[in-house]
Parts: sequence; C-alpha cells; structure tokens
Amino acid sequence: EAQVTQNPRYLITVTGKKLTVTCSQNMNHEYMSWYRQDPGLGLRQIYYSMNVEVTDKGDVPEGYKVSRKEKRNFPLILESPSPNQTSLYFCASSHRPGPDRLRYFGPGTRLTVT
Amino acid sequence: EDKVVQSPLSLVVHEGDTVTLNCSYEVTNFRSLLWYKQEKKAPTFLFMLTSSGIEKKSGRLSSILDKKELFSILNITATQTGDSAIYLCAVASGAGSYQLTFGKGTKLSVIP
Repeated sequence: EAQVTQNPRYLITVTGKKLTVTCSQNMNHEYMSWYRQDPGLGLRQIYYSMNVEVTDKGDVPEGYKVSRKEKRNFPLILESPSPNQTSLYFCASSHRPGPDRLRYFGPGTRLTVT
Repeated sequence: EDKVVQSPLSLVVHEGDTVTLNCSYEVTNFRSLLWYKQEKKAPTFLFMLTSSGIEKKSGRLSSILDKKELFSILNITATQTGDSAIYLCAVASGAGSYQLTFGKGTKLSVIP
C-alpha cells in the first residue's frame, strides 16, 4: 500500500531536549516536504526536498533542520525545541520533482513542548 | 511573499444545499492550484488545476481556475453531512525551486 509514515504520532517533550520526527514513503517519490499546522494559521511549509541531498527552506524554517540522505526518508530535527514549536506536523511526498500533485500526506505528529 | 486567501473562513449549511468556496492568490511563477479536504486527520487531495476555464469534476464536487483574475472556486452540490470538513486551497509556485503555499482553509459544517 502506497503510504507516508511518520513517527512518533504523539510526543510530549521539554524545552531544549533534541528530538527527531521521522518520515518515510514507499513510493519512490522525489519530492518530500514538512508542514506545521496551527489554529488560525493553516498549513505552513517548513522545509522541502526535491531529491536526495537537495533541501530548501519553506516559509517557517527557523528552529528546524532536515536531511535527505536516502530517497525514502526525510526526518525533521528540532535541535532545541521551544514551546512555540508545539504544533501538528505533516510530512508529504509527491512523485513529481515538485508539489504540483502533492497528494500523499503522512498521518501527522502532534508535538507538545512544555 | 506568496499569499493564498480563502473565503469564507467558515460556513454552516443544511444538507442538500449547494456551496461555493473561494480561493484567491498572489504568487510568483504560478504552477498549479490544489484543493484538499481535511477531516480529523491528514489532508486528502481533491483536485489539481493548471489551466483557466477547465472544470475539474468528481461526483458532487467541481472546481475551476481563473488565472487572469487569480482565483479558484470549489463547488459542492447536494451537500451531505459527510462533506463537513476543512477545505484547503494551496498554490504551487516557483521557477527553479518549488514551494506550496496554503490558505487558512474554509471550515464547512453540513447539518441535517
């Protein structure tokens, strides 16, 4: 089954404790992207990757890092999480080298930073 | 800065009504406009539009794009309670690198 998986699905952590949210897709997609969703602000792009070793900043990259060492994986790293990073995070992927038909989203990771 | 604006932000209708959701945009190097439906989970893809005036249709849902006036509409006819969701509009833009900018969504509530 074609899918995008994220782990963990829920996470409560404390300020400053490094964490990684994993994202993996099994469709050999080139394009992958991370979004955060906050009430009243909608979905905002954090980082995206057009292929292995090619990443670029989205609209809200501050406080986040990503890497794309393999085509299937695109982890999101918070080196020193802060409460303003409490949010619902989605990973997504597309077979095109761009988001033109972005239709596969992961199930979401709800992160709370206290 | 790319901008996508959806209206209304929320809407309550009765089953059987027809609704029209709006999405206007200002982006550099427009590539495509996408509509999604989000219930209590991840967004699910509805339509992708790239050309003006060509209606995309799926069952009771349809959408059209106007690239001259920079907007799109999503129509839902004969609404059902299962149509209750947040409808998201997003615009893909960029010449060499690609971004996807989302609107804040329209929350549709369909009451029996």
